[in-house]
Amino acid sequence: DQQVKQNSPSLSVQEGRISILNCDYTNSMFDYFLWYKKYPAEGPTFLISISSIKDKNEDGRFTVFLNKSAKHLSLHIVPSQPGDSAVYFCAASLYTGKLIFGQGTTLQVKP
Amino acid sequence: DAGVTQSPTHLIKTRGQQVTLRCSPKSGHDTVSWYQQALGQGPQFIFQYYEEEERQRGNFPDRFSGHQFPNYSSELNVNALLLGDSALYLCASSRGTVSYEQYFGPGTRLTVT
Repeated sequence: DQQVKQNSPSLSVQEGRISILNCDYTNSMFDYFLWYKKYPAEGPTFLISISSIKDKNEDGRFTVFLNKSAKHLSLHIVPSQPGDSAVYFCAASLYTGKLIFGQGTTLQVKP
Repeated sequence: DAGVTQSPTHLIKTRGQQVTLRCSPKSGHDTVSWYQQALGQGPQFIFQYYEEEERQRGNFPDRFSGHQFPNYSSELNVNALLLGDSALYLCASSRGTVSYEQYFGPGTRLTVT
């Protein structure tokens, strides 16, 4: 039972444009949602999070939007930079510190 | 400030053998969680250790066991290795058991032949 899904395995955008990564979840009890970025040969790095009681959180070029009615969240990166090329994981927490991850989306930002 | 460290980096084992992976948490962190990441998948939660006890467990068989030491470092043991155990094993540390802010190590790549 995949509670967190990232349906797009890959995304390619031009440098300077917006990157939008999507994530869907099934469990309405999740209390926190997070985005992690992963480069090859490194562990996932925390990027940004959002509490289930909010609908938007912004940190520099990164903004996460949460639509609870649709059980959907998205990560917007504006403007996209070549250094943003990585695998992005969406994750959800169930009040327990246990993170449930999606399958990941590989973002390629072309110069 | 040292982050999460894991050893070894890579490991090759034969089916049926046993393996031990090690993790040192980030300074100031007392909780260690272990995740398994199969190729092309997201990390899957194995278990979490706090105060030297297993606090939570994911959907993994008893072949997977762990330990936490008084200095908060941790070991993951896998017995009777199967080909399907080949994966990247990630350790994450945090302050407390309910913290969602987890810091990951670089992982140990285990290959079972």
